[in-house]
Amino acid sequence: DAGVIQSPRHEVTEMGQEVTLRCKPISGHNSLFWYRQTMMRGLELLIYFNNNVPIDDSGMPEDRFSAKMPNASFSTLKIQPSEPRDSAVYFCASSRAGFSTDTQYFGPGTRLTVL
Amino acid sequence: AQSVTQPDIHITVSEGASLELRCNYSYGATPYLFWYVQSPGQGLQLLLKYFSGDTLVQGIKGFEAEFKRSQSSFNLRKPSVHWSDAAEYFCAVGAPNSGYALNFGKGTSLLVTP
Repeated sequence: DAGVIQSPRHEVTEMGQEVTLRCKPISGHNSLFWYRQTMMRGLELLIYFNNNVPIDDSGMPEDRFSAKMPNASFSTLKIQPSEPRDSAVYFCASSRAGFSTDTQYFGPGTRLTVL
Repeated sequence: AQSVTQPDIHITVSEGASLELRCNYSYGATPYLFWYVQSPGQGLQLLLKYFSGDTLVQGIKGFEAEFKRSQSSFNLRKPSVHWSDAAEYFCAVGAPNSGYALNFGKGTSLLVTP
């Protein structure tokens, strides 16, 4: 299996620009998670999808952040407009059923720098 | 709500020495406990997990962890560290019956010296 695939791996943009991060979960996994990792706050869950439906988006920091999962093999996390404080590593993870007992498989992450 | 604390931000050990990384959790019942490792530039990889049963859990890459209810701890150990073990280690806790959510600790950065 190819594992969780994320693109791009690195993104550098200027404040105010729109940023779109992409994720392809492992085939057959029904749950998808977006995390943000920063030095100050560690690893934070932003949003969780189960069977393509957003179940919990309470971790999404502001209305500038949005996430979609149009089908079982693709998800996007969009930031519009981006701000320097959004600079972080964004991880996508997937699991088979989404229960807390399930192993979450992480992608390599997208390192976002907003200038 | 459950929480997890990793008291050590950085740890340095010599190659071949033993390793113990600390993890303490806060939860009313027995939580689900995980250790993940993050190599530089990579995503997180599961090392091991504990749900119930034998309190000593074996994982990949020669790691093990012991669940101690009385101390609310789930420390990660390895008898002999290799240079390739240098990475960031995260303890995570999930609560039974709360579905998907995992709370991650802030991580411990392991440096291995020759």
